[in-house]
Amino acid sequence: AQTVTQSQPEMSVQEAETVTLSCTYDTSESDYYLFWYKQPPSRQMILVIRQEAYKQQNATENRFSVNFQKAAKSFSLKISDSQLGDAAMYFCAYRSPAGDDKLIFGTGTRLQVFP
Amino acid sequence: DVKVTQSSRYLVKRTGEKVFLECVQDMDHENMFWYRQDPGLGLRLIYFSYDVKMKEKGDIPEGYSVSREKKERFSLILESASTNQTSMYLCASSLNTDPQWTQYFGPGTRLLVL
Repeated sequence: AQTVTQSQPEMSVQEAETVTLSCTYDTSESDYYLFWYKQPPSRQMILVIRQEAYKQQNATENRFSVNFQKAAKSFSLKISDSQLGDAAMYFCAYRSPAGDDKLIFGTGTRLQVFP
Repeated sequence: DVKVTQSSRYLVKRTGEKVFLECVQDMDHENMFWYRQDPGLGLRLIYFSYDVKMKEKGDIPEGYSVSREKKERFSLILESASTNQTSMYLCASSLNTDPQWTQYFGPGTRLLVL
């Protein structure tokens, strides 16, 4: 069975600085999808960024980018120029290509942003 | 914009009560999901549904059941609430043909069972 591990329960960063959140996963599949979701305090969870395993190029979305290391089964999220609004729980998630659209989530990392 | 709504933000129930959590999505999504979120455990899938009247067990279905009589509505039922079901419950939906494979989440229901 696939598992997703986020080893950093909490992280903090100063405004305008860069922070990297770690995620590792375990799978025997060769093709799959990885996601980072953000859950702001008292607000709905939203998708931040996604990566297809067959793509070697790392995904980017504005200030958010990933470092996808397929052989190491690592999928870290880099937030550049951190803003106060980035403060949230961040969840890494894995989706199998099996087509059932189920996501397996990590335990989350709480990011604090200090002015 | 996709909108996923949940019937209550906060709910307090007594042990043994039957509890209904409702989720409605307005974008004609085929897939709907119920998760529970607990500190240190992340999100765990309780049940999901691919279509009306269809349901599949997730990773932690014990003590829960679901109902999907209409495409837009997916209900989670706690047949006899217990204190260990105190948690945050999140509903999500997704579209089969979405190339982004995005799940859209509701705001969550924080359930306290006394």
